[in-house]
Amino acid sequence: DADVTQTPRNRITKTGKRIMLECSQTKGHDRMYWYRQDPGLGLRLIYYSFDVKDINKGEISDGYSVSRQAQAKFSLSLESAIPNQTALYFCATSDIPHNEQFFGPGTRLTVL
Amino acid sequence: QKEVEQNSGPLSVPEGAIASLNCTYSDRGSQSFFWYRQYSGKSPELIMSIYSNGDKEDGRFTAQLNKASQYVSLLIRDSQPSDSATYLCAVKGRTRDSNYQLIWGAGTKLIIKP
Repeated sequence: DADVTQTPRNRITKTGKRIMLECSQTKGHDRMYWYRQDPGLGLRLIYYSFDVKDINKGEISDGYSVSRQAQAKFSLSLESAIPNQTALYFCATSDIPHNEQFFGPGTRLTVL
Repeated sequence: QKEVEQNSGPLSVPEGAIASLNCTYSDRGSQSFFWYRQYSGKSPELIMSIYSNGDKEDGRFTAQLNKASQYVSLLIRDSQPSDSATYLCAVKGRTRDSNYQLIWGAGTKLIIKP
């Protein structure tokens, strides 16, 4: 069974729609992350959470929001999707002290 | 912002040869270093971690760390076509908000030619 799961795996939506991407983990890690990856580019951090009460913006948080519902669940929302948010989205978890991260399978989001 | 640099490639290596991937980083205080493999359209997969100077071997993979020169490398021996992927270097460093995060390189695309 996968340790980090993401739903949906693929989503096509229209400009202006609200979208939620969900992430669940069974690794027992406190730290969770949301990244986006564009073709040919590296990973860019959107938001991260060190525990249920600690949420932090990453380098590209504009246009996104998150919710940490429990230690195991971390959701990413696009309040009003726009075409340049078309990308591959990854959720990851990590543990201390070294912070090695473990990724979910990703969500391919297309905004028309 | 601390940086992690990798040659984007592609790096083409004959099957059976040694593939050598390099990464440099700017934060002298970094303590943890990772190599991830990412197949096209898939998620990054952790393949090696290294925390102290020197070499660390795991099967066909060897990670090398030189903190004085601020570089970390990954050697893949007996390269196989299935090793063809993008390899991401990640370094635990302090970001703008003073939290410790993984800082990612953009990746090196490796192609193993049969």
